[in-house]
Amino acid sequence: QVQLQESGPGLVTPSETLSLTCTVSGGSINSYYWSWIRRPPGKGLEWIGYIYYTGSTSYNPSLKSRVTISVDTSKNQFSLKLSSVTAADTAVYYCARDLLDRGLDFWGQGTLVTVSS
Amino acid sequence: DIQMTQSPSSLSASVGDGVTITCRASQSIRSYLNWYQQKPGKAPKLLIYAASTLQSGVPSRFSGSGSGTDFTLTISTLQPEDFATYYCQQSHSTPQTFGQGTKLEIK
Repeated sequence: QVQLQESGPGLVTPSETLSLTCTVSGGSINSYYWSWIRRPPGKGLEWIGYIYYTGSTSYNPSLKSRVTISVDTSKNQFSLKLSSVTAADTAVYYCARDLLDRGLDFWGQGTLVTVSS
Repeated sequence: DIQMTQSPSSLSASVGDGVTITCRASQSIRSYLNWYQQKPGKAPKLLIYAASTLQSGVPSRFSGSGSGTDFTLTISTLQPEDFATYYCQQSHSTPQTFGQGTKLEIK
């Protein structure tokens, strides 16, 4: 059974960079796409972007100028960096395995990131 | 971006009832439509992909249909564990987008 676990700071200062890592266990990161999704308080789900294990990426245009997703296949991890954060970036952040036309089938438990001084 | 609109936004029903949630895309997404269930404090769970294919392990009381722009999720006989929020998601093109969610509550 594939498991995903997000890790990173739960509090980020405005204008700084949010950094999260997703560790994949129970399966290889190879041959799959891996997505980041977030859910702001009281709102719905927003897809941030995905990365293929080879390193190719696709980002949501609404965040593209501030987002970087990277992969480390040797550690079975992928990461999210979101720069110049504001309070609007406060959300629960999820990582997930992305099967594209077959949906997001395995998810991390989610991690709350609060942007505040 | 493709906009996904769910209706209703909330729904009250009783155990044993059947319910239907609809999802409409702003343009054709063929059958690239997925449904998720989310409970408070938990990650979303994939229920149905490609509009009508049941994800492994999901009870058969869940079913999906539709293509093009109009889709439905039906729960045939509600169980206590089904009360949750449901989201549709299109995976036809990036950025992937989700509906705003339908909260299913106990009457």
